[in-house]
Amino acid sequence: DIVMTQSPDSLAVSLGERATINCKSAQSLFYSLNNNNCLAWFQQKPGQPPKLLIYWASTRASGVPDRFSGSGSGTDFTLTISSLQAEDVAVYYCQQYYITPHTFGQGTRLEIK
Amino acid sequence: EVQLVESGGGVIRPGGSLRLSCAASGFTFDNYGMSWVRQAPGKGLEWVSGINWNGGTTDYANSVKGRFTISRDNAKNSLYLQMNGLRAEDTALYHCARAFSSGSYYYYYMDVWGKGTTVTVSS
Repeated sequence: DIVMTQSPDSLAVSLGERATINCKSAQSLFYSLNNNNCLAWFQQKPGQPPKLLIYWASTRASGVPDRFSGSGSGTDFTLTISSLQAEDVAVYYCQQYYITPHTFGQGTRLEIK
Repeated sequence: EVQLVESGGGVIRPGGSLRLSCAASGFTFDNYGMSWVRQAPGKGLEWVSGINWNGGTTDYANSVKGRFTISRDNAKNSLYLQMNGLRAEDTALYHCARAFSSGSYYYYYMDVWGKGTTVTVSS
């Protein structure tokens, strides 16, 4: 199984400031068939199912604000929130879908400082 | 409206069986792969099982392989998870999720999720 490791486990950022979450894969997620990386980011708020934010490592899902961006390739990826809003408080997960089982990172809890 | 609604959860004794269902609506069901993802109380997300658009490919997490079986009925727009030999560590909220598919044997990111159904395994 591909192990996905997120850092940090928790993060406190001031409103309007930048938040950065990292995700490292134990093996490359580069998919040669379409030259993309098989990496997704999800946001989960309490009592709600996860919401897809980013897929193919850097493509924003429909309706996701442009303050959310994904970057990285191979084994190292980053989710950036450019200007933190109060509604962004949540747990964030990365997930690889390069090979089954489609493993998740352990999650990063994002709070307001 | 695109929607996934899970059902079939409940309280079950260790060693028992349960069948979860997921009813899909608002999209062309057989254009997509589907997956089950669970979340134990206070824990993170765990991908459990996935199936491609026509049921020809099925995959499982090691933790459930040999005990759980995923299936789908495209005529009924439904996804299922047959869970046998249940253990305390299977206690979780089980979500079904739609997985983007290119129409082949594989499936990719999950873009629509249901709210989940709770499974509690306890004596």
